Amino acid sequence: NAGVIQTPRHKVTGKGQEATLWCEPISGHSAVFWYRQTIVQGLEFLTYFRNQAPIDDSGMPKERFSAQMPNQSHSTLKIQSTQPQDSAVYLCASSLDMFSNERLFFGHGTKLSVL
Amino acid sequence: QQKVQQSPESLTVSEGAMASLNCTFSDRSSDNFRWYRQHSGKGLEVLVSIFSDGEKEEGSFTAHLNRASLHVFLHIREPQPSDSALYLCAVSASNYNVLYFGSGTKLTVEP
Repeated sequence: NAGVIQTPRHKVTGKGQEATLWCEPISGHSAVFWYRQTIVQGLEFLTYFRNQAPIDDSGMPKERFSAQMPNQSHSTLKIQSTQPQDSAVYLCASSLDMFSNERLFFGHGTKLSVL
Repeated sequence: QQKVQQSPESLTVSEGAMASLNCTFSDRSSDNFRWYRQHSGKGLEVLVSIFSDGEKEEGSFTAHLNRASLHVFLHIREPQPSDSALYLCAVSASNYNVLYFGSGTKLTVEP
């Protein structure tokens, strides 16, 4: 079990460019979560999927951010027209079932730097 | 939306001295509490989970939950310099599994 895999580990983009972050959840896990971590805001919830369906995106910025889960083996977080304030570590996590007390497993994150 | 706050923002203790971290939450229906640790540049490591009032011990880490006062504490017994890290409190309600995190306490353990 390789755990939750996030790629790339680091991504550097220029202001205004698009960034796509990838997450491969643990096989068999039905719930996938995205978080963003910055020094100022801490760890913020963005969105989550259950069985590939979007359940709650209340933490997502309303513009420029979108997340998809086209199949059970990966999810993507896309940021259009990146801005310096988007610089953060983006963490993906998966759990066996959203209605259990199973442990939430985190990936190592993708560090996004917008120049 | 759940509000989770941690104090202090940073804490320095001497090696072997007890370290105590505080976390408050806003949703009284919460019943799922976890403490995580994150070393600089590394991923999140779960330390202890607690689901009912009282104490739960995992190695040198003890979580203490008092839901009436909306507090959950983490006590670290005989911390070592290797325990220096960011400690994060996370809270959710069992019927809605999103974990909401506090902003963390940066713990420094001096030799």
